Amino acid sequence: NAGVMQNPRHLVRRRGQEARLRCSPMKGHSHVYWYRQLPEEGLKFMVYLQKENIIDESGMPKERFSAEFPKEGPSILRIQQVVRGDSAAYFCASSPLAGRGQPQHFGDGTRLSIL
Amino acid sequence: EDQVTQSPEALRLQEGESSSLNCSYTVSGLRGLFWYRQDPGKGPEFLFTLYSAGEEKEKERLKATLTKKESFLHITAPKPEDSATYLCAVQAVSIQGAQKLVFGQGTRLTINP
Repeated sequence: NAGVMQNPRHLVRRRGQEARLRCSPMKGHSHVYWYRQLPEEGLKFMVYLQKENIIDESGMPKERFSAEFPKEGPSILRIQQVVRGDSAAYFCASSPLAGRGQPQHFGDGTRLSIL
Repeated sequence: EDQVTQSPEALRLQEGESSSLNCSYTVSGLRGLFWYRQDPGKGPEFLFTLYSAGEEKEKERLKATLTKKESFLHITAPKPEDSATYLCAVQAVSIQGAQKLVFGQGTRLTINP
């Protein structure tokens, strides 16, 4: 009974490097969401994707951040030229449908640390 | 702007001591209110969805209720394994039909044996 799988669980990068975070949704789920949890803060929405489409990226910083969910393979959240302020836990969630009250099921996150 | 406020920030109870967690919300149009449980180092685990005022849902020692402005998570006779951070989130109507959840800061619950 595989849930949402995220990897790596922990990622360490130096300032200026690129970080790639991967998310495989639950089987049968075609809707993926990314959230960020900064230290001592709540979960904040970043982006919502369906296969090959970005539906809502209103929570994603305009620069250095991008997301994709290709026809085959996992969803990728990419952060270019990382800075110290990018250190956070990044969570992916998925749902089978997109509708009123559809619960989103979360993975265990990727903890990104920037040296 | 949609907002969710949870109180208290932290709560310590003795095993068997019942209590309630509060979630106050302001949204333009509520599509659903969600409760999640989060253990340290883990992702949020879905507990309940509530859709409209007056609705109640139960699961083991937990019961969630909803009014037009707030939701309560009642914990009856808690056990140490109920210790976790409990998150409240709302899903609001949006022009894009987007599905994003707006989360509160959470209530960190500790049950002492």
